Amino acid sequence: NAGVTQTPKFRVLKTGQSMTLLCAQDMNHEYMYWYRQDPGMGLRLIHYSVGEGTTAKGEVPDGYNVSRLKKQNFLLGLESAAPSQTSVYFCASRPETGGYNQPQHFGDGTRLSIL
Amino acid sequence: AQSVTQLGSHVSVSEGALVLLRCNYSSSVPPYLFWYVQYPNQGLQLLLKYTTGATLVKGINGFEAEFKKSETSFHLTKPSAHMSDAAEYFCAVTRISGGYQKVTFGTGTKLQVIP
Repeated sequence: NAGVTQTPKFRVLKTGQSMTLLCAQDMNHEYMYWYRQDPGMGLRLIHYSVGEGTTAKGEVPDGYNVSRLKKQNFLLGLESAAPSQTSVYFCASRPETGGYNQPQHFGDGTRLSIL
Repeated sequence: AQSVTQLGSHVSVSEGALVLLRCNYSSSVPPYLFWYVQYPNQGLQLLLKYTTGATLVKGINGFEAEFKKSETSFHLTKPSAHMSDAAEYFCAVTRISGGYQKVTFGTGTKLQVIP
């Protein structure tokens, strides 16, 4: 019963490097989200997807790109990492059906440090 | 515009004492409200969610939340704190933006339980 799995769990990058964070869910959920969590700021939405092949910008999309080529996977890319992108990144998913009060299911996070 | 406000970034209670974590939402948004809990180094887990028409919502681990439309509040309570309740708690609201549903999180309240 994996739920939402994020890879990797930890990563240290140098400024200017690129990397991709992978999120995989096995619940057949339509909606998927990427958030960043910074102290005192709660969770802020970076990008989200309402289905395979779709993506949309959230509150803080600059410096990130995403892709949803397969329904179960949602990738978050950093093309040129900056120290301001040091954060904990969370992926979440939820089903489309059930109305507005369907909760999101979260992964355990990726802790990313940019030096 | 902020859709949900959590009062108090840190709350300390003694073991066995009442827990009260405050959440107020913007009256312009529909009342699809949630409380999530985050334990150290983990993702968020659903604690409870508002059900249309209810005034008192029961969640897991003995927590409950009271919905007060007149005060636009959805405060979280637990009659008797346990050491295992030490965590960060997030209030969240679903809103419609750009034709899609998005969840906005509060900035979180860290609960410390003192033995």
